[in-house]
Amino acid sequence: QITLKESGPTLVKPTQTLTLTCTFSGFSLSTSGVGVGWIRQPPGKALEWLALIYWNDDKRYSPSLKSRLTITKDTSKNQVVLTMTNMDPVDTATYYCAHSPYGDHYLFWGQGTLVTVSS
Amino acid sequence: SYVLTQPPSVSVAPGKTARITCGGNNIGSKSVHWYQQKPGQAPVLVIYYDSDRPSGIPERFSGSNSGNTATLTISRVEAGDEADYYCQVWDSSSDPWVFGGGTKLTVL
Repeated sequence: QITLKESGPTLVKPTQTLTLTCTFSGFSLSTSGVGVGWIRQPPGKALEWLALIYWNDDKRYSPSLKSRLTITKDTSKNQVVLTMTNMDPVDTATYYCAHSPYGDHYLFWGQGTLVTVSS
Repeated sequence: SYVLTQPPSVSVAPGKTARITCGGNNIGSKSVHWYQQKPGQAPVLVIYYDSDRPSGIPERFSGSNSGNTATLTISRVEAGDEADYYCQVWDSSSDPWVFGGGTKLTVL
């Protein structure tokens, strides 16, 4: 059974750096083809893809946010970490991590974590 | 970057068929995936690679993709199908994972 769970702060101040951790079980991020991605959803709005890291440490970022994002993995801990710098109120959203079996779609999702950016 | 266009809303009576479209330039040449999201919940994959269903998804959910339009079809619609539905493609451009704007399905 594959599960993922996001953790991190629920409130950050403008200009601060957000660090989110995705802890997963039921699969290995060293299996060929597998990836873990981050997707966010502002309240009442659509899904927005942010970043993905593959089993081989290949990393992809949304072009519009690339300068602010860093994604890393710790295979031994079954964790993927996303950092986003220079947070702004428009970054207020529910942040999801998700498992991608072949790197092109997301089969299993975490429950999401709501991050509010406010002073 | 690649753009996916969905109608904001679709309404259907119980027991009828709902069709939700996803438009994109030559989308028929790409693989389309569909997610269902109920209020307060994470998205759930309902169709992948245009027309495949993950384990546990009812056969009432089907998909097709041709030309500039992909379609999610829900047959014999139930009240529990009321949700937002998002299409998604993987594109080899610089913005690989693209989501549509979402369609709110209302069961009348």
